Amino acid sequence: QVQLVQSGSELKKPGASVKVSCKASGYSFTTFGLNWVRQAPGQGLEWMGWINTITGNPTYAQGFTGRFVFSLDTSVSTTYLQINDLKAEDTAVYYCARDAVLDPWGQGTPVTVSS
Amino acid sequence: DIQMTQSPSSLSASVGDRVTISCRASQGIRNDLGWFQQKPGKAPKRLIYAASSLQSGVPSRFSGSGSGTEFTLTISSLQPEDFATYYCLQHNSSPYTFGQGTKLEI
Repeated sequence: QVQLVQSGSELKKPGASVKVSCKASGYSFTTFGLNWVRQAPGQGLEWMGWINTITGNPTYAQGFTGRFVFSLDTSVSTTYLQINDLKAEDTAVYYCARDAVLDPWGQGTPVTVSS
Repeated sequence: DIQMTQSPSSLSASVGDRVTISCRASQGIRNDLGWFQQKPGKAPKRLIYAASSLQSGVPSRFSGSGSGTEFTLTISSLQPEDFATYYCLQHNSSPYTFGQGTKLEI
């Protein structure tokens, strides 16, 4: 079945970097784009952007430019979210989700930024 | 950017009730709208796509309607497992935007 499996929870210090992975299975990886969604503690869902799995071209929503990087490794059907220069306000659960219609979702990766 | 205004933000209801949640788009989005259910500590799950199409495996008590700027999610007879938070999402144009969420409580 179609599945997105994300890497495990992360605890990082301010100023560090983190790389979250999202591995797809059950379908042809380059058929659909992949989105990233952030959910801060107790808050709603926020679309961060998406990556074209054919070209590797990323599109970032406002507020997610500069420190946020989407990338791909098509050989292992995986997309990555890297966040550089982490700040306390980056503490959130990060989800990947397939295609513009956001189905299915990965299980989420909690990222905690604390000194 | 397209703004999605979802209402109500919270809703108290009982098992067996019929409930309706609304989303209004700041400009026309055709039927490029989905509804999602999220339970605490879990990833969101899509219930409805293309505004009114039921996701496979989702109970038929869930239904969606609307087009353009006004959309509704209806649960015809609430079950205990339906108490969760619900979100709409427009994917008509980038950036995609979610509604603020509706927390459905007993």
